[in-house]
Amino acid sequence: AQSVTQLGSHVSVSEGALVLLRCNYSSSVPPYLFWYVQYPNQGLQLLLKYTTGATLVKGINGFEAEFKKSETSFHLTKPSAHMSDAAEYFCAVTGLSSGSARQLTFGSGTQLTVLP
Amino acid sequence: DAGVIQSPRHEVTEMGQEVTLRCKPISGHNSLFWYRQTMMRGLELLIYFNNNVPIDDSGMPEDRFSAKMPNASFSTLKIQPSEPRDSAVYFCASSSRGEYGYTFGSGTRLTVV
Repeated sequence: AQSVTQLGSHVSVSEGALVLLRCNYSSSVPPYLFWYVQYPNQGLQLLLKYTTGATLVKGINGFEAEFKKSETSFHLTKPSAHMSDAAEYFCAVTGLSSGSARQLTFGSGTQLTVLP
Repeated sequence: DAGVIQSPRHEVTEMGQEVTLRCKPISGHNSLFWYRQTMMRGLELLIYFNNNVPIDDSGMPEDRFSAKMPNASFSTLKIQPSEPRDSAVYFCASSSRGEYGYTFGSGTRLTVV
């Protein structure tokens, strides 16, 4: 079984400041980890994912995340926030399954506000 | 690729009426998922299909909800009768074998008055 905890349901940063959104996971099998972004009135869009290999993964719009097994974390960062980054961000986890469908377990989301 | 297509985008209906939400997954994707999103509960998985077969419907809230996938390119989620507490955004997502992660549709915003 898997679970995801996103620390901070709301995060505010100034434009140009570092963005850090926290995600911790629990998984009984090696995890695959994801970050999705949801803009108002839209569906969820995949930002980046970690499956195997390099633990630092880069995604779209300048975001990146680092898988830290020892800390069971997959925090999302961006060096410099832009106004267009304001959205809700979801962390998700799935595990290697014998079935061909892989259920994603989502966190509760973090609303990012970017202040001018 | 047109992505996952959901219709309608918005639906307003009266309590007691039947509501049908539709989804066309990405061609070639063999898994389809229905989610519901509300402020109170966040994202909830309702049901998912693999190769058109329902695999897990434990998230379906009650018998008023039903979902079908008659072929690889179409799925419906039906609520009969609808209630105000069903008001939410319903998302459909699809994925392919070996792909990690889903592609989501834009959602259907359902309002039951």
